Amino acid sequence: GNSVTQMEGPVTLSEEAFLTINCTYTATGYPSLFWYVQYPGEGLQLLLKATKADDKGSNKGFEATYRKETTSFHLEKGSVQVSDSAVYFCALRIPMEFGSQGNLIFGKGTKLSVKP
Amino acid sequence: DGGITQSPKYLFRKEGQNVTLSCEQNLNHDAMYWYRQDPGQGLRLIYYSQIVNDFQKGDIAEGYSVSREKKESFPLTVTSAQKNPTAFYLCASSRGAGFDTEAFFGQGTRLTVV
Repeated sequence: GNSVTQMEGPVTLSEEAFLTINCTYTATGYPSLFWYVQYPGEGLQLLLKATKADDKGSNKGFEATYRKETTSFHLEKGSVQVSDSAVYFCALRIPMEFGSQGNLIFGKGTKLSVKP
Repeated sequence: DGGITQSPKYLFRKEGQNVTLSCEQNLNHDAMYWYRQDPGQGLRLIYYSQIVNDFQKGDIAEGYSVSREKKESFPLTVTSAQKNPTAFYLCASSRGAGFDTEAFFGQGTRLTVV
């Protein structure tokens, strides 16, 4: 079936460190891929997305590239800040013509803590 | 400002009671969704609706019910049949079911059974 696998957390980094959160997927057809961020006690906010192979999504210094050959969409940031502390979710969405319900399918989330 | 409003933010329920969680959006979105979030489990789909007066079960619909009488509203009822209702509930909406469209989320309702 369709699924998303993220690296287990929590991830703890010092400020200005390099961040990578791995995400791989299994999907029917050609999904769109998303990264969402959730701050404590809040809902999810879209961080970035990519809709086809080799697309790079970017926002607020975060980047992720849609790699069809490795079915991956790893999240990276060159220099994290304390304010980046949150839970990050990788997600995919399958076109309905491939039998999808049209909803987002999420990974389990990776908690990031950035220390000053 | 356009967005999704969930209420209440915190809700306490006694065992055996039904409770209804509110979700309202003013984004003019056709599609709306309810997800349940448990620690370490990610988000799981409860119900979704692609259009007014129509909705479909998601992966964990047992013990829940919904209605979609208006485009902007998609309330979720947690019934007494839901065996473990304590969780964080998130409502979302999107412009349609197009595979590249993003979903917008509300702030969530934390339900606790006491």
